[in-house]
Amino acid sequence: KNEVEQSPQNLTAQEGEFITINCSYSVGISALHWLQQHPGGGIVSLFMLSSGKKKHGRLIATINIQEKHSSLHITASHPRDSAVYICAVNSNSGYALNFGKGTSLLVTP
Amino acid sequence: EPEVTQTPSHQVTQMGQEVILRCVPISNHLYFYWYRQILGQKVEFLVSFYNNEISEKSEIFDDQFSVERPDGSNFTLKIRSTKLEDSAMYFCASSVSGGSTDTQYFGPGTRLTVL
Repeated sequence: KNEVEQSPQNLTAQEGEFITINCSYSVGISALHWLQQHPGGGIVSLFMLSSGKKKHGRLIATINIQEKHSSLHITASHPRDSAVYICAVNSNSGYALNFGKGTSLLVTP
Repeated sequence: EPEVTQTPSHQVTQMGQEVILRCVPISNHLYFYWYRQILGQKVEFLVSFYNNEISEKSEIFDDQFSVERPDGSNFTLKIRSTKLEDSAMYFCASSVSGGSTDTQYFGPGTRLTVL
């Protein structure tokens, strides 16, 4: 089974700070997903990566397939970015997503 | 924008009772999934479904669980005899294709409480 580890577990930042959340996995994958879980529980897909880098607004996601590592960056963070950010991977053989435990982010004004 | 919907938002049941959780996936999506999240823990895969068949299931998805697409729009998860440890948030998701590079769209979840 693919072990997905995220760090840090919890993160507090001041508004405007640059934030990095890391994800590593143990077995080769076909794709890695970054998701956002709001305090009410809803899950929203942010990025799907199989190589390189993607950018959407203030969010940037990168992946290094050789090192089995991905990072999610938030530039100019804002209190509305406060949420749990989850890394999940697809194995090479299936449809199921294997989730990390998530990083709880709090951005204070 | 189309979205996945789930009903009910919260279900309370007694241990041993049967529950059915309902989901309406996005209309042109062909692949459907159920995940669960026990309070304070990570999200876990239960089952994927395509063309009226289970395509993949986890160890959690034992004989107490079943899925069905009864009418071409709803996608249901049935738990036959609930246990205390089934208490969790259950998320339905759907995707256009089953490819590992396809985005899965999640519903808002059903919180199941087993007493």
